[in-house]
Amino acid sequence: AQSVTQLDSQVPVFEEAPVELRCNYSSSVSVYLFWYVQYPNQGLQLLLKYLSGSTLVKGINGFEAEFNKSQTSFHLRKPSVHISDTAEYFCAVSDDGNAGKSTFGDGTTLTVKP
Amino acid sequence: DAGVIQSPRHEVTEMGQEVTLRCKPISGHDYLFWYRQTMMRGLELLIYFNNNVPIDDSGMPEDRFSAKMPNASFSTLKIQPSEPRDSAVYFCASSLAKRNSPLHFGNGTRLTVT
Repeated sequence: AQSVTQLDSQVPVFEEAPVELRCNYSSSVSVYLFWYVQYPNQGLQLLLKYLSGSTLVKGINGFEAEFNKSQTSFHLRKPSVHISDTAEYFCAVSDDGNAGKSTFGDGTTLTVKP
Repeated sequence: DAGVIQSPRHEVTEMGQEVTLRCKPISGHDYLFWYRQTMMRGLELLIYFNNNVPIDDSGMPEDRFSAKMPNASFSTLKIQPSEPRDSAVYFCASSLAKRNSPLHFGNGTRLTVT
C-alpha cells in the first residue's frame, strides 16, 4: 500500500521569498512521484514528476523537487515566489505507472503575500 | 486542444433528485478517471475506464453512484438518488495509456445537494 503525507496544510510566504512544500511518502515498491497545482475553481495540473534517473526534477513555473529515497521525501521548492503562485499544491505517489491511480496527499495551501 | 471538458460547472439540486455529470476527455486519450474532492476526504478516485471499459470502480461509494462511457469522447457520472453528503467537487481526468503519462483534469463540477 502507498501513502502520502504533506507535512504542512498552510504555508504563508512573502513575495520573492523562497518556499519549500514538504511531502513524505511510503510505498513497498518502486515509486513514481508527482506534484500538482490547483488554482481556485480549476482542476489540478501537473507541475513535475519523478520517474527515474536524476533525483532533482525541474518543472513548470520555476518549481523543482528533489527525490530522496533514504528519507522517503519529495519536497517541492521555488527560490522566489510570485503572487500568482498562490494555490493549493498536491503531492501524489503511484506504484504501478498509472498516474490516474495515484494516492494524493491532502494538499498544501500556499499563500503569497505582497 | 480544448482540454478535458466537464459540464455543468455548478449543479444545485434537492435531496432525492437524480444528478448527471458529464465529461469529454481529450481526443486520443485512453484512460478516463472520475474523482471526488471534499474538505474531509481530499481527492478520491471513484472509477476509471480504459478504452471505454470500466476497469476499477472500487472507489464508488454506493450503488447510488454509476458511471458510463458509451464512446471514447463522452462519459457520465450519475447519482440517483442524491443526498446532501454527496455535495463535493467532481473532477474528470484523462490520460494516454503510455506508462506515467500525466493526468489532464477538467475544471470540475461543483455539486450542492440541499
